[in-house]
This record gives sequence, C-alpha cells and structure tokens, in this order.
Amino acid sequence: EVQLVESGGGLVQPGGSLRLSCAASGFSFSTFWMSWVRQAPGKGLEWVANIKQDGSDKYYVDSVKGRFTISKDNAKNSLYLQMNSLRVEDTAVYFCARARGGVAPNFDYWGLGTLVTVSS
Amino acid sequence: DIQMTQSPSSVSASVGDRVTITCRASQTISIWLAWYQQKPGKAPKFLMYAASTLQSGVPSRFSGSGSGTDFTLTISGLQPEDFATYYCQQANSFPPTFGQGTRLEIK
Repeated sequence: EVQLVESGGGLVQPGGSLRLSCAASGFSFSTFWMSWVRQAPGKGLEWVANIKQDGSDKYYVDSVKGRFTISKDNAKNSLYLQMNSLRVEDTAVYFCARARGGVAPNFDYWGLGTLVTVSS
Repeated sequence: DIQMTQSPSSVSASVGDRVTITCRASQTISIWLAWYQQKPGKAPKFLMYAASTLQSGVPSRFSGSGSGTDFTLTISGLQPEDFATYYCQQANSFPPTFGQGTRLEIK
C-alpha cells in the first residue's frame, strides 16, 4: 500500500525558514517523480514543485522560485521541501504527492498534509 | 500558464441524482485532464486521468469526457460518499494547474 507521511509544518514568522519532510513507503520511490502541492486555508490546490526520479531536474511555481528547494533522498525514501524567506501568503497545508509523468504530471497518491502557518 | 475554470462553483443535489461538472482550459490541452475528489480535512483522491480513464478502484458511476478545451465529469446515481469538492487539473504543459474547485453539496 502506497503511503506518504508529511512532517515538519508549524508556525513561523515572516522571513523565517522551515523544512518539510515526506516519508514514502509501499512503492519503488526511486523510480517516481515526486511533487509538493499546497492548499491555502479555504482555497484550491496549487502545485508548488516537482523533482525527477534521480533528483537531477527540479521545477517550481514562479511564486516560490529562489526561496524553496525540493530534494529527495532515494536511500531514505524521503522527499523534502526547504522553505526560506517565508511569506504570509505561503500559509497553507502542504501535500506530498506521487507524480505520474514528468514536468506536468498527474498526482496519483497524496499524503495527509502538514500545515505551515506564516504569521507574526 | 494554462488557466482552468470550473463551473458551477457549487451545486446541490440529492442521493440518486446525476450531476455534471464542467472544466474549461484557457488553451487546448488535448485529453490531458485529470479529476480529483477532496473531502474536508482530507487529502485529494485521484479519480480519473486522460479525460476519461478511471483510476483503479474508482466506481463506474464516475465518468469523464472531453478534449481540447472543454471537459466534463459526470456522477450518475449520487451516493452519500460522493458529496465533496472536485478539482480538475491539466497535465498537458508546464506548470500543472488546477481548477478552482466545485463543491457538491447535499440538497
């Protein structure tokens, strides 16, 4: 059974940093693209970042470029999102998702999400 | 970026009804459209891809159609567990983008 479990969310001040983690199990993690998708409170879904199977290619939504970094550790079956220079508008539930396809994938399995709140 | 627009934003229906949700892309995306279901406080669930192909385990009362810019999700014979918010998502070109969601409520 595919499982994705996020952690690392919390309350942070504007300008601060957080590192999200996603522990994957139940599938061959090293053979899949992975993604982060976020959902602001009461809002819709927004894709944030993608990473290729071996971590060699990474893609970001414009609003987080230069501030967020996606990475994956295939030996640990883990996906990460390093978030720096956080803004109030980054407040959201962040979902880890398995991606089917490349730079414009579908997302066939999702974690339960971790809440990031950026506030002073 | 390709903009995805869903209509209606919300719809009320009864158990047993048939409901259709529409998704329109701002430019052609061929058949590369997916649908997701999300219940409050839960992760989205992948329902369908390539406009009309059901993900494994999704009931056959869900169906999809369309190509180019106009797509529909139809639920025939609504069940209590179907009341949720539905999102479309284009997978034709970077960046992947979602519709704003359609909330399906019990009448």
